[in-house]
Amino acid sequence: AQSVSQHNHHVILSEAASLELGCNYSYGGTVNLFWYVQYPGQHLQLLLKYFSGDPLVKGIKGFEAEFIKSKFSFNLRKPSVQWSDTAEYFCASPMNRDDKIIFGKGTRLHILP
Amino acid sequence: DAGVTQSPTHLIKTRGQHVTLRCSPISGHKSVSWYQQVLGQGPQFIFQYYEKEERGRGNFPDRFSARQFPNYSSELNVNALLLGDSALYLCASSLVPARNTEAFFGQGTRLTVV
Repeated sequence: AQSVSQHNHHVILSEAASLELGCNYSYGGTVNLFWYVQYPGQHLQLLLKYFSGDPLVKGIKGFEAEFIKSKFSFNLRKPSVQWSDTAEYFCASPMNRDDKIIFGKGTRLHILP
Repeated sequence: DAGVTQSPTHLIKTRGQHVTLRCSPISGHKSVSWYQQVLGQGPQFIFQYYEKEERGRGNFPDRFSARQFPNYSSELNVNALLLGDSALYLCASSLVPARNTEAFFGQGTRLTVV
């Protein structure tokens, strides 16, 4: 069955540290992947998306992700995190036939000021 | 422009009761999807509606039902509430139900069943 998994459930970093959150997918065919962010008390927002083309995807707020087909991965990165990046991050993918979205379990990121 | 709006924001119900959650999509969006987010988990797909027709249903019991109105707003109904139905219920809207279309999420309705 199509699935998306996230390795880290809770990450704590200091400001200015570099961030990498892991995401793996397990399906073949056309691969489309998203990263969503949910700030405390706010709605889910799309950070970035990969549909095709350049495997290095730039998103909002300085985030980027790299699609590596050979590793079935789509890790989220940011070179220097800020306190305001404290949030929950979800890797996700639309199902093969339409836009119903499958989400990973999420990674709760806490940035220490 | 207003985003996806959901009402109510919070709700407390007793086991066995019925609940109706409401969603207004972004103006011009014709596709509405519902997701359940249990604490500590990612959102799980419940239903998708497009042009007032159900296009998909997740792995949820028949106690869950939904509908979409001519103005594209939607309701999610849950009957015979169980404690395990306590969750954040999210509504998402998109222009059309296509894989390369971005879905926009509302802030959700926090349902607590006691």
